[in-house]
Amino acid sequence: GAVVSQHPSWVICKSGTSVKIECRSLDFQATTMFWYRQFPKQSLMLMATSNEGSKATYEQGVEKDKFLINHASLTLSTLTVTSAHPEDSSFYICSARTSIYSGANVLTFGAGSRLTVL
Amino acid sequence: AQTVTQSQPEMSVQEAETVTLSCTYDTSENNYYLFWYKQPPSRQMILVIRQEAYKQQNATENRFSVNFQKAAKSFSLKISDSQLGDTAMYFCAFMSGANSKLTFGKGITLSVRP
Repeated sequence: GAVVSQHPSWVICKSGTSVKIECRSLDFQATTMFWYRQFPKQSLMLMATSNEGSKATYEQGVEKDKFLINHASLTLSTLTVTSAHPEDSSFYICSARTSIYSGANVLTFGAGSRLTVL
Repeated sequence: AQTVTQSQPEMSVQEAETVTLSCTYDTSENNYYLFWYKQPPSRQMILVIRQEAYKQQNATENRFSVNFQKAAKSFSLKISDSQLGDTAMYFCAFMSGANSKLTFGKGITLSVRP
């Protein structure tokens, strides 16, 4: 089945630094990837939609300059949290959608990345 | 905009018994999909079951089944023969047929007691 690898699974950084999280589809091509944020014991909130070869579409209220998303290939999307602050500490999850012609309406999720900003 | 409502924050069930998790949604779309996801303590999102809105027949996956009432915009999950491994947070989710965006409910914490 489809597998999405997310790395790193856990990262701790100092306030003011930038952190990059990678989301890779291992055995399929992902034309679209989604990035979510989840606070403890809360739901997943969609941050942005990442389409290969084009700019990401951000949800209302998400700072695009703070959360840089790049989807340079059909198997890799990255989320960079720039100038991270303690309030950016959260669990970030990616999901990937395959080509529209092959079961597009099931998303495969990565295992998530826990970011702690000191 | 779509909304998904899970009004029960938590539930508990005895092992081997049956439990039903409730979910309602609101949308003006005709083409959409509904899902139940499980998130165990590992926090990996696992697809439990999905339902296409155009299908009248309720989806079933082994011990998991749904009661899809389209007119009432209701999508409940029934877990039969509950197992300890079913302990997790369960999210009901709506997917637009137009853009595959998922809107999640708040989730419900299910505990299965031995």
